[in-house]
Amino acid sequence: DAGITQSPRHKVTETGTPVTLRCHQTENHRYMYWYRQDPGHGLRLIHYSYGVKDTDKGEVSDGYSVSRSKTEDFLLTLESATSSQTSVYFCAISAAAGGYTFGSGTRLTVV
Amino acid sequence: GQQLNQSPQSMFIQEGEDVSMNCTSSSIFNTWLWYKQDPGEGPVLLIALYKAGELTSNGRLTAQFGITRKDSFLNISASIPSDVGIYFCAGLTGANSKLTFGKGITLSVRP
Repeated sequence: DAGITQSPRHKVTETGTPVTLRCHQTENHRYMYWYRQDPGHGLRLIHYSYGVKDTDKGEVSDGYSVSRSKTEDFLLTLESATSSQTSVYFCAISAAAGGYTFGSGTRLTVV
Repeated sequence: GQQLNQSPQSMFIQEGEDVSMNCTSSSIFNTWLWYKQDPGEGPVLLIALYKAGELTSNGRLTAQFGITRKDSFLNISASIPSDVGIYFCAGLTGANSKLTFGKGITLSVRP
């Protein structure tokens, strides 16, 4: 969906380095979410935002932080990447609680 | 916390066959959603259900919101190779709640 883009699409990084993933939307939706997807676990919510500077933790937030300084951008930061954070990360947006639109994902490998 | 149960983890069918997938929970949900994820992409919304007992179709897909509000099913008729992917159910408990996802079922279609 052209209304939501994630960058980068792929990244390889070393253990202990900081990493920031970006989610950008052009839909002016209020809600934004970060998920990680791992085999056997499905989609797990990391953090979410319900407006500029309003964020909250999801079920797997340890080791991650987020920021939302403008409606269109939601950044996910791994302060010090670990191998357990190797995953596929998805951003999603919604106008109201309900059907989410997902980005195409970022495949992150921590070596 | 709330959980949505999808099983089996994988399904293998022959092209042209129908397939049905269930999603169950011990909690009540007010909205049920079905998503499909193609390889290398984010999940895409297939069908949304808003009322207990509701039966909704989208082409060869039919989904139902269970009367107890604790389950939903998705049926795909006359499967084709492009039906391959991961199918997720998701539920909402209230207007301001976040989506809860099942772990997904990987569907393979043999030509």
